[in-house]
Amino acid sequence: GAVVSQHPSWVICKSGTSVKIECRSLDFQATTMFWYRQFPKQSLMLMATSNEGSKATYEQGVEKDKFLINHASLTLSTLTVTSAHPEDSSFYICSAGTTGYSNQPQHFGDGTRLSIL
Amino acid sequence: AQKITQTQPGMFVQEKEAVTLDCTYDTSDPSYGLFWYKQPSSGEMIFLIYQGSYDQQNATEGRYSLNFQKARKSANLVISASQLGDSAMYFCAMREGMDNAGNMLTFGGGTRLMVKP
Repeated sequence: GAVVSQHPSWVICKSGTSVKIECRSLDFQATTMFWYRQFPKQSLMLMATSNEGSKATYEQGVEKDKFLINHASLTLSTLTVTSAHPEDSSFYICSAGTTGYSNQPQHFGDGTRLSIL
Repeated sequence: AQKITQTQPGMFVQEKEAVTLDCTYDTSDPSYGLFWYKQPSSGEMIFLIYQGSYDQQNATEGRYSLNFQKARKSANLVISASQLGDSAMYFCAMREGMDNAGNMLTFGGGTRLMVKP
């Protein structure tokens, strides 16, 4: 089945550091990738939708300059948390889908736990 | 208004018994897809089952079945013969519009299922 790889799994870093998270589709071409944020015991909150070769579409309330998303190829999207602060600590998870395939679920990466000290 | 509602924040079930997790949805689009995902404590999102709005029969996947009542806008997940490994968070999600994997998912708040030995 389709596999999405997300790295790193865990990140602990100091306040002010920028952190890059990668999301790769390993065996299919992902025309669209989604980035979610999840706080403990809460549901997934969509942050942004990225389509290959175009700018990401951010959800209301998500700072574009804080969370930089790049989807340079059909197999790779990156989320960069710039100048991270403790309030950015969260679980970030990506998913990938392909336009035109009905009945197919989005496939998720395993997520990244980000802790900012 | 909430598009996906899961009214059970937490549930217990005895091992080997069946359990139903509730999900109601709200959409005016005639074309949509409904999904259930399992999220264990490790964080990954595991796709369980899919139901399309035009599907005539309820979806089944092994021990998982979806009780789809379109007129009532409900898509309850039934897990038969619960196992200890079924203990996890369960999310109901909907994809609106043209039913393809390039569209975003909207998630419910989740239900934490705990299987008792």
